[in-house]
Amino acid sequence: DTEVTQTPKHLVMGMTNKKSLKCEQHMGHRAMYWYKQKAKKPPELMFVYSYEKLSINESVPSRFSPECPNSSLLNLHLHALQPEDSALYLCASSQGMLAGGPSGANVLTFGAGSRLTVL
Amino acid sequence: GNSVTQMEGPVTLSEEAFLTINCTYTATGYPSLFWYVQYPGEGLQLLLKATKADDKGSNKGFEATYRKETTSFHLEKGSVQVSDSAVYFCALSFYGQNFVFGPGTRLSVLP
Repeated sequence: DTEVTQTPKHLVMGMTNKKSLKCEQHMGHRAMYWYKQKAKKPPELMFVYSYEKLSINESVPSRFSPECPNSSLLNLHLHALQPEDSALYLCASSQGMLAGGPSGANVLTFGAGSRLTVL
Repeated sequence: GNSVTQMEGPVTLSEEAFLTINCTYTATGYPSLFWYVQYPGEGLQLLLKATKADDKGSNKGFEATYRKETTSFHLEKGSVQVSDSAVYFCALSFYGQNFVFGPGTRLSVLP
């Protein structure tokens, strides 16, 4: 299994709603990532979990709350979002630095993304 | 800091034309280099990679060679197809972390 699965594929929410994006991988990867991608732009890193612990938070507003229940699952909880948060949210995973070693064998494997629209 | 520069395009080619998308990087040390492709409505997919100088990554007819002396990793394909229409991202990372992406190059291939 070489996939990262994201649900839902599309999500429309109001500014007062609470929703969650989900991500799952079964490749034994120990690092998982959330990226945000606006139209015609590269992905922007939001959060990194390494061995189920939050290792990087790129100064993301608290209305985005990540959670890593176990090594295969990654959630992004959304609350009180703004219309400018509308974007494609991409989950990714990699072996993790300790497993991959310095050779750079690590690659990011991305999911298909969840397209979020905030009204 | 580390950065990746690539031609932003859009690049428009006819089917069977030769493709080059330039990518140069700035980094302290010797990162691993990657090309990712994003088809419309999808996530990014790894196209090819190279982990050290003079390595050549190749996949699906695409090639790129890690050139330390010019800090470049240009993507080439000898004969593009309509199905190659997508956005191509050059990226670097150290030790599989802190991936840095270029701005992306949109390629349109016309029949």
